[in-house]
Amino acid sequence: DAGVIQSPRHEVTEMGQEVTLRCKPISGHDYLFWYRQTMMRGLELLIYFNNNVPIDDSGMPEDRFSAKMPNASFSTLKIQPSEPRDSAVYFCASSFYGADGKAFFGQGTRLTVV
Amino acid sequence: QQQVKQSPQSLIVQKGGISIINCAYENTAFDYFPWYQQFPGKGPALLIAIRPDVSEKKEGRFTISFNKSAKQFSLHIMDSQPGDSATYFCAALYNNNDMRFGAGTRLTVKP
Repeated sequence: DAGVIQSPRHEVTEMGQEVTLRCKPISGHDYLFWYRQTMMRGLELLIYFNNNVPIDDSGMPEDRFSAKMPNASFSTLKIQPSEPRDSAVYFCASSFYGADGKAFFGQGTRLTVV
Repeated sequence: QQQVKQSPQSLIVQKGGISIINCAYENTAFDYFPWYQQFPGKGPALLIAIRPDVSEKKEGRFTISFNKSAKQFSLHIMDSQPGDSATYFCAALYNNNDMRFGAGTRLTVKP
């Protein structure tokens, strides 16, 4: 397996534009997580899914953020409209029941909003 | 929202020295405590983990110490090497997969 695949690796966009980040989890994993990493706040859990169903989205900063998982092999995180303070590295990770804390992270998407 | 507090923010250690990173938590529902290692440009990767019914776990040069009553745990890296230079995150887990991370510690091991 190629691991968790995220795209794009880098995204530069103008304030007010819509941004869509994509993630393909490891096949067979039934948990998918979206994290945001910044220097100030470290790794923050935004939302996670179990069997494609959102379980906890309390970390989503505001209504501008939305996440979907239409099937077991694909998820998106959308920001609309984007703001400069959304600039961060966004990680997708996948795991499975009984993994005991072992989550497999993608390479991340570095988002810059200018 | 930081449910796991981690310190220090950065750490510089000489080669061969001991690196110590500390974490504390409040939520007693946490039932598993992993540590992750992240190199620049990469996603975090699991390094070592411990359950709260164990006071210490060692894997090679890496040791986790756990104090359940104090709700604290720490990572010790013995004989630190320049290749250990990375950012380390402690984490706490509940509901089997709901994982919350500390803010991270940037470790630099000088040759």
